[in-house]
Parts: sequence; structure tokens; C-alpha cells
Amino acid sequence: DVKVTQSSRYLVKRTGEKVFLECVQDMDHENMFWYRQDPGLGLRLIYFSYDVKMKEKGDIPEGYSVSREKKERFSLILESASTNQTSMYLCASSPSGQSNTGELFFGEGSRLTVL
Amino acid sequence: RKEVEQDPGPFNVPEGATVAFNCTYSNSASQSFFWYRQDCRKEPKLLMSVYSSGNEDGRFTAQLNRASQYISLLIRDSKLSDSATYLCVVNSGGYQKVTFGTGTKLQVIP
Repeated sequence: DVKVTQSSRYLVKRTGEKVFLECVQDMDHENMFWYRQDPGLGLRLIYFSYDVKMKEKGDIPEGYSVSREKKERFSLILESASTNQTSMYLCASSPSGQSNTGELFFGEGSRLTVL
Repeated sequence: RKEVEQDPGPFNVPEGATVAFNCTYSNSASQSFFWYRQDCRKEPKLLMSVYSSGNEDGRFTAQLNRASQYISLLIRDSKLSDSATYLCVVNSGGYQKVTFGTGTKLQVIP
């Protein structure tokens, strides 16, 4: 089974703090994604990466950065957390090429509250 | 108009009932379609892909209507364990063009 593990299920941070959300997958997938999920807005793509050290902006990259130094790990960074970044953050992965069926494999999510 | 629209529900149905959800999409160039299931406070998981010819997996049937730009999910003989939010996902090409609907909540009641 594909396993996508997010480091923290629940975090509470203060405005202005730097926040790291870590995601690790164990299926050697090339593609990794960070989404946020908010009521009434659905899942929105923040950043994705299709290879080590490669990153692409999604629909809502402002206020976020990412890092992919190893294939299995994709980190989301909030340089200076703000209250409007309170959300559920979901990491996902998928294979490339012929193995790709379009399915995304999600981690359990990290619920971030910024006070 | 939203790219992908779903009725948020909730749909409250008795056990054993048949229930159907629709999802409309605005981009006629959309290429692939999926239904995901998300339990409360859990991550989304793929329920089924939606093929042009329609497809069935046990009690679940998914259909695509390209002319009217919608996909549907039919659940027969509803079980309590079917209670969840069902997300419609549309891919218009490339990872940046994967759009999730906001989900339809289903509650199956005894």
C-alpha cells in the first residue's frame, strides 16, 4: 500500500511564526503535491513537484514555499504564518509515466491553526 | 461559474436506498474524471475513475455525460458505512488543471 505520511496532524502557531510541514512517501513516486482544504472552497493546489529540486506553483502559492531535496520528501514552508493560513493541509503523491492512472495518494492531513 | 460544481447536501438517506450525485464541470476540454471519498477529518481516497462508457464497481456506478458536461455517481443499497463526503475531481490536462469539487455529503441513516 502507498503510504504518505505527514509529520504533524495538528499544529497551533502564532502569527509571524515560521511553520514547516513535512511529507514523506514510501512508494518512489515522482510527483508530490501540497493542497489546502477549506470549507466551501474544496482542495486548492499550493505547489507541486515532479522531481527532486523541481517545483511548480499551483493556484495559491502566495505566502508559501516548498522544498524537495529528496525524492521521498516534500516540505511546505510558511515563512510568516498568518491567520488566513489556518486550514487543513494535505500532501499527495503520484507516479509518473505509465504507472500514472491519475490517482492521487493523500496523507492524513495536517490541521494548522494560526492564532 | 465554478469550474467544478457539486450540490453540498447533505443527502440524508435510509439504509438500503439508492442515491445519486451529479457534478458539473465547465471546461469542455476536460480529459479525465474521478470520484473520491472523504471521511470526516480524514484524507480523500479514490473511489473510482469515470470512463466515457460508464463503469460499475459493486454497488457504485459512475457515468460521464460529455455533451451536458457532468458526471454522476450512483450508490445502490446504501450502507451506514457509505456515510462520507464524495468529491468530484476533473482533470483538464496537467497537474495544475486538476480541480476538486467542494464535495457532496452523504449521511445514511438506520
